[in-house]
Amino acid sequence: EDKVVQSPLSLVVHEGDTVTLNCSYEVTNFRSLLWYKQEKKAPTFLFMLTSSGIEKKSGRLSSILDKKELFSILNITATQTGDSAVYLCAVIKAAGNKLTFGGGTRVLVKP
Amino acid sequence: GAVVSQHPSRVICKSGTSVKIECRSLDFQATTMFWYRQFPKQSLMLMATSNEGSKATYEQGVEKDKFLINHASLTLSTLTVTSAHPEDSSFYICSARDIRLPYEQYFGPGTRLTVT
Repeated sequence: EDKVVQSPLSLVVHEGDTVTLNCSYEVTNFRSLLWYKQEKKAPTFLFMLTSSGIEKKSGRLSSILDKKELFSILNITATQTGDSAVYLCAVIKAAGNKLTFGGGTRVLVKP
Repeated sequence: GAVVSQHPSRVICKSGTSVKIECRSLDFQATTMFWYRQFPKQSLMLMATSNEGSKATYEQGVEKDKFLINHASLTLSTLTVTSAHPEDSSFYICSARDIRLPYEQYFGPGTRLTVT
């Protein structure tokens, strides 16, 4: 059975701190891993990672994939209160296009 | 950018009634749409994959007669919760796959269903 596990479940930081979120997976026919940010409504897309070792960056967010060790990390530097959200990772397989989501990491950034 | 809408955003219904939720891709064509449900403080669970012009594929444990899915056009899929019960109360989210970008999915804003 395909598994996507995120850690930690939740964390509380102060503005300016750096956070690192983890996502490990066990899936057959892996194609890509995606990161989403979910505030009060539906998830918004952050990154899609397909190749190992290539960092993707968007402002203060960055992410990298390790296909040998089967995990990805999402980094947020200089956190702001607006970064408070649940961060979800999901994997998509080579055949078909279903997303399998991890349980999410709830991040709270305090002023 | 790709926009997916859902209607209604919030609905309250009585036990035993049916509720229809619409999912539309506004500026792209979607041959495939996905329906998820999300319970409070939990992650998204895929319910079914909806393919335009064919029957939906349901995930294990999801009753197809209870959650009716219709994908009649390249921009519209509907989910009907039939004979709703309080345990069906949840946040229902659809996503759509752009026909031109097969591995990206765009999420709708979700529908919060409360069954009393």
